[in-house]
Amino acid sequence: DIQMTQSPSSLSAFVGDSVTITCRASQSIGSFLNWYQHKPGKAPKLLIYDASTLQSGVPSRFSGSGSGTDFTLTISSLQPEDFATYYCQQSYSTLFTFGPGTKVDIK
Amino acid sequence: QVQHVQSGAEVKKPGASVKVSCKASGYPFNTYTMHWVRQAPGEGLEWMGWINAGQGKTKYSQKFQGRVTITRDTSASTAYMELTSLRSEDTAVYYCARGVRGGPFDSWGQGTLVTVSS
Repeated sequence: DIQMTQSPSSLSAFVGDSVTITCRASQSIGSFLNWYQHKPGKAPKLLIYDASTLQSGVPSRFSGSGSGTDFTLTISSLQPEDFATYYCQQSYSTLFTFGPGTKVDIK
Repeated sequence: QVQHVQSGAEVKKPGASVKVSCKASGYPFNTYTMHWVRQAPGEGLEWMGWINAGQGKTKYSQKFQGRVTITRDTSASTAYMELTSLRSEDTAVYYCARGVRGGPFDSWGQGTLVTVSS
């Protein structure tokens, strides 16, 4: 199976800050990388697919980049509603795998 | 609009089985895949498996192989996930999620809490 890692595992930031989360795959996955936002008690929400394509309705302050094994999710100008846990997921293999998550909370 | 409504919370004893349903609406069920993902308390998201709703073909995470079965009823636009030989570590919220273009999961159910306790 393809293993996914994320860093950092958690971070604290102020409203208005820019934050970057890194995701790494154990083998090359091209651009088959998706990002999700998950809040407690809610269903996960797709933010970005194919490494850099913004899902419909997702604010433009979210952006993704990368290919091969290394990817990043950037949130520019963090908003109060952005405090959540973020997961990357590979869809290169039909045995889909998620990263361990990055919790973003308020400083 | 696209929607997935899951069955209600379950409490099971160790060794029992649980079957969770996921009813889809707002799109042609047969033309997508349906995935199952779980989140145990304090843990991250864990992919369990998926079904091609049209063909009925399935694929499972090696971790759950032999214990999980995903099925669907196309006439009811409903997918099911059955997990057997439950243990306390299976206590989790279980989600169904629609897969698009063989990749990302763009619409999720509300989640079903399964509690395994003696």
